[in-house]
Amino acid sequence: GAGVSQSPSNKVTEKGKDVELRCDPISGHTALYWYRQRLGQGLEFLIYFQGNSAPDKSGLPSDRFSAERTGESVSTLTIQRTQQEDSAVYLCASSFRARDEQFFGPGTRLTVL
Amino acid sequence: DQQVKQNSPSLSVQEGRISILNCDYTNSMFDYFLWYKKYPAEGPTFLISISSIKDKNEDGRFTVFLNKSAKHLSLHIVPSQPGDSAVYFCAASGGGYKLSFGAGTTVTVRA
Repeated sequence: GAGVSQSPSNKVTEKGKDVELRCDPISGHTALYWYRQRLGQGLEFLIYFQGNSAPDKSGLPSDRFSAERTGESVSTLTIQRTQQEDSAVYLCASSFRARDEQFFGPGTRLTVL
Repeated sequence: DQQVKQNSPSLSVQEGRISILNCDYTNSMFDYFLWYKKYPAEGPTFLISISSIKDKNEDGRFTVFLNKSAKHLSLHIVPSQPGDSAVYFCAASGGGYKLSFGAGTTVTVRA
């Protein structure tokens, strides 16, 4: 596809369950970012991948959050033992290189009951 | 601690008039500023940016102004059109790839 895609678009889960969110970046983009937007707040940086370098995980809010990226393609964000405060829209973005324009996917709306 | 603040959650403007969106930041290390636009059920899309070495950048109907001493930037949309109705995010970075975003301003353009 031409843009960044994310799946699922919506996810409702029960507190304590694990969830996995997927991001397909634009082909050829070496940089990939995950953000979170909670209600009424701005986008919050979570993690950054650049090529084969070690990811910048400085934005992950707790050790329940982890992310992987396979080469320069798909990335998955995993939240273990979900809590109600994890409810948010999770956005993925990619860019050709670091500091280039970031192109965002439509996001995954996560609701933890 | 939010380093980028958009204090107006919403703005309503008549079609054809000017929309002015404001953004304040606290981190003096920020050197690059961006505005993103977001429609419902879509991701944000890049609109316009400005480097700290400039105080104004213009692109068609969109102009961004930067006041470094006041740590303030604004986005002007002239003239406003119905298709401009969206959420606008201000973002900033300080020499790297991390963007800090404001909470957004919802703009409604009335016919």
